[in-house]
Amino acid sequence: DAKTTQPTSMDCAEGRAANLPCNHSTISGNEYVYWYRQIHSQGPQYIIHGLKNNETNEMASLIITEDRKSSTLILPHATLRDTAVYYCIGGNAGNMLTFGGGTRLMVKP
Amino acid sequence: DGGITQSPKYLFRKEGQNVTLSCEQNLNHDAMYWYRQDPGQGLRLIYYSQIVNDFQKGDIAEGYSVSREKKESFPLTVTSAQKNPTAFYLCASSIMVGDRQPQHFGDGTRLSIL
Repeated sequence: DAKTTQPTSMDCAEGRAANLPCNHSTISGNEYVYWYRQIHSQGPQYIIHGLKNNETNEMASLIITEDRKSSTLILPHATLRDTAVYYCIGGNAGNMLTFGGGTRLMVKP
Repeated sequence: DGGITQSPKYLFRKEGQNVTLSCEQNLNHDAMYWYRQDPGQGLRLIYYSQIVNDFQKGDIAEGYSVSREKKESFPLTVTSAQKNPTAFYLCASSIMVGDRQPQHFGDGTRLSIL
């Protein structure tokens, strides 16, 4: 798995977009970028993944830079229920994922 | 609904006792995984299984054992040799090892020492 670097914590106002950055400069050409989130005392929830193209689903958008060394997860209209720890992982999910410390997102009213 | 079921949600272990955590999936996934999470930390891999009757050690396998007799089930035993077992244990599955499809997680078992 690629080593990833994320800010320890971030705040976001309710209703605004939350933009969570991730650096993965050592990612190899066939490794994907995965995003999960974990609400306290629950299992991680899969959000989205991508290889090199930007991706969007019902939960979020994933923007990957052209050199693939960094990405941004975008929650377009954050709600209080989006308060969680967000993990960025570089690898292949069918292999053993390495979860680091993640970013603690606090959505405030 | 398809998913991963872990039980029990909370478990207490006495000194010198072995305990077994259950993990069942009905997603028809070949690969299954066990992770350990300590407070404020990320996840660490204990064991994984690519297929029935096969399993491999992860980064922190000492003091743990697993079996994979059925595709749907991957129980984890925390043995008395694991001296610091208090943690949150998470089970996951994916279509197969090496595939790009995401792992899906259960809701975890919280193990504490009496």
